[in-house]
Amino acid sequence: EAGVAQSPRYKIIEKRQSVAFWCNPISGHATLYWYQQILGQGPKLLIQFQNNGVVDDSQLPKDRFSAERLKGVDSTLKIQPAKLEDSAVYLCASSLDWPTPNNEQFFGPGTRLTVL
Amino acid sequence: ILNVEQSPQSLHVQEGDSTNFTCSFPSSNFYALHWYRWETAKSPEALFVMTLNGDEKKKGRISATLNTKEGYSYLYIKGSQPEDSATYLCAFGSSDSNYQLIWGAGTKLIIKP
Repeated sequence: EAGVAQSPRYKIIEKRQSVAFWCNPISGHATLYWYQQILGQGPKLLIQFQNNGVVDDSQLPKDRFSAERLKGVDSTLKIQPAKLEDSAVYLCASSLDWPTPNNEQFFGPGTRLTVL
Repeated sequence: ILNVEQSPQSLHVQEGDSTNFTCSFPSSNFYALHWYRWETAKSPEALFVMTLNGDEKKKGRISATLNTKEGYSYLYIKGSQPEDSATYLCAFGSSDSNYQLIWGAGTKLIIKP
């Protein structure tokens, strides 16, 4: 079974530039998550999709971050414009069913973003 | 605000020694507790999900216990090997947090040969 794919693995940009990350979840997984992990902190959920609908985006900074999951499969996360504090690892995860707290989440390798 | 604490933040252990670390979480509205292992340059992978007070889970040399009444879980590694070097993350699932997991900052384990 192929795992969760993410690209790019690394990205370096200047502040005020834009950046986009891509995620392909495990085939058949209904729920997709985007997390932000800042160095020294735990992953923070940015947005959670069930198929192509948003379940929770309460912690997504909507003035600069956007995400979509067209057709309920692949997803993209965009930052426009980037700030220094956006430097982090962006993790994508997927799970098979409705996002109850006991569902196992399967993670991609993450994208390490550095904003200069 | 729900908070999950992991200690210690980092740990150096001699190869062959056993070790353990802690995850502390709120003791109310418990639903589930997850442990994940995250090796450098790889994807985080699930170790255990525990849902019942007193749960004990084991996978090879790694085991975990759960105390939901006092709000803590221990992860044990017996006879540490270099391949155990990783960051170990725990995540708490509450019955009233809109299903999202609250993650600790992790314990970084380094095994010295």
